[in-house]
Amino acid sequence: DAGVIQSPRHEVTEMGQEVTLRCKPISGHDYLFWYRQTMMRGLELLIYFNNNVPIDDSGMPEDRFSAKMPNASFSTLKIQPSEPRDSAVYFCASRPGGVRNSPLHFGNGTRLTVT
Amino acid sequence: QKEVEQNSGPLSVPEGAIASLNCTYSDRGSQSFFWYRQYSGKSPELIMFIYSNGDKEDGRFTAQLNKASQYVSLLIRDSQPSDSATYLCAGTDRGSTLGRLYFGRGTQLTVWP
Repeated sequence: DAGVIQSPRHEVTEMGQEVTLRCKPISGHDYLFWYRQTMMRGLELLIYFNNNVPIDDSGMPEDRFSAKMPNASFSTLKIQPSEPRDSAVYFCASRPGGVRNSPLHFGNGTRLTVT
Repeated sequence: QKEVEQNSGPLSVPEGAIASLNCTYSDRGSQSFFWYRQYSGKSPELIMFIYSNGDKEDGRFTAQLNKASQYVSLLIRDSQPSDSATYLCAGTDRGSTLGRLYFGRGTQLTVWP
């Protein structure tokens, strides 16, 4: 099991540019979550999907953020246009459905720096 | 607004001591609680979860849940330098077995030799 795979590991971009973060969940996991982590705010849930359908995007900070899950093995988080305050570590996580208290499995994260 | 609050620390204990990490939550309907450990520059990894009042032990770790006081704690016995990390407390939604986890901001623990 390769675990949750995120790419890129690091992204440095200039303000105003479009940024796309990618995630491949663990095969068979029905739930996929996008989190953002900063020193000031800790780990914040942005959006989560169940069976590729977005269930709750209330954590998405602004319309500049969008997420898609076109199939069970791939999701993207896009920021357009990016701003320096978007600098953070973005984690993707997945978990299986139908199992109470099943843990979240996190990817290694993408460290985003917007200059 | 669902919130999970942790004593921010940092917490520093000598090797072999008991480290006590605490967490309170605002949503009385939260059912399950998780403790994650996060090493610097790494992703969070699950240590244990608890959903019943009382204590749950797993090796050197004991999780405690008090729903009346809305309080969760993690005790680490015989602390080791390798336990030095940030510990994140998380709770689930009311009535949800499979829903979101809300995380606290974490407590940084240092175990010195």
